[in-house]
Amino acid sequence: GESVGLHLPTLSVQEGDNSIINCAYSNSASDYFIWYKQESGKGPQFIIDIRSNMDKRQGQRVTVLLNKTVKHLSLQIAATQPGDSAVYFCAENIMGYQKVTFGTGTKLQVIP
Amino acid sequence: GAGVSQSPSNKVTEKGKDVELRCDPISGHTALYWYRQSLGQGLEFLIYFQGNSAPDKSGLPSDRFSAERTGGSVSTLTIQRTQQEDSAVYLCASSPRSGTDTQYFGPGTRLTVL
Repeated sequence: GESVGLHLPTLSVQEGDNSIINCAYSNSASDYFIWYKQESGKGPQFIIDIRSNMDKRQGQRVTVLLNKTVKHLSLQIAATQPGDSAVYFCAENIMGYQKVTFGTGTKLQVIP
Repeated sequence: GAGVSQSPSNKVTEKGKDVELRCDPISGHTALYWYRQSLGQGLEFLIYFQGNSAPDKSGLPSDRFSAERTGGSVSTLTIQRTQQEDSAVYLCASSPRSGTDTQYFGPGTRLTVL
């Protein structure tokens, strides 16, 4: 049968609360960062991005924070909704290079 | 407009057989990426194309894996002599130009090797 892979870290949040998903990136030379959302059975979907000359960027209900000193990225989701339940991936890139490196992902479960 | 499409959506094959996975990127996107996602894991980079050329093949797991892109559009990922450990979802993404462009993903092909 199919082998069991590593289980993704899971964050369980009550509907209406704020969610914070963290990511440690690997390459200190990376200067462009992206968050993707992957719903079950679908491919990842772009949420928000940030360049290294910024430490915060806001979208609709989402905020990305970047701390280059400790190579840490976070995604904050305000007023979490059931539709936010998915796996969230951070990704890093060096501008001018094609390759994008994805993190392992965090599963967000929203409790109604 | 149409997004990235992949075919087949599911493929079950026997160990040792060859399989071919297809990706149709968004029209006009010059960059195309292949990733592999095993059960409960993240995305593993396999290869990317800029136009028809593949500057970075470093992620291909072994020489059983190959990919090509023709006409700057459709790409095929071929796995020869499949093994059980090849079972995974194979995702394709395209972007207008480079890594700093948003990547648009297809729904993936779920490959099961018996």
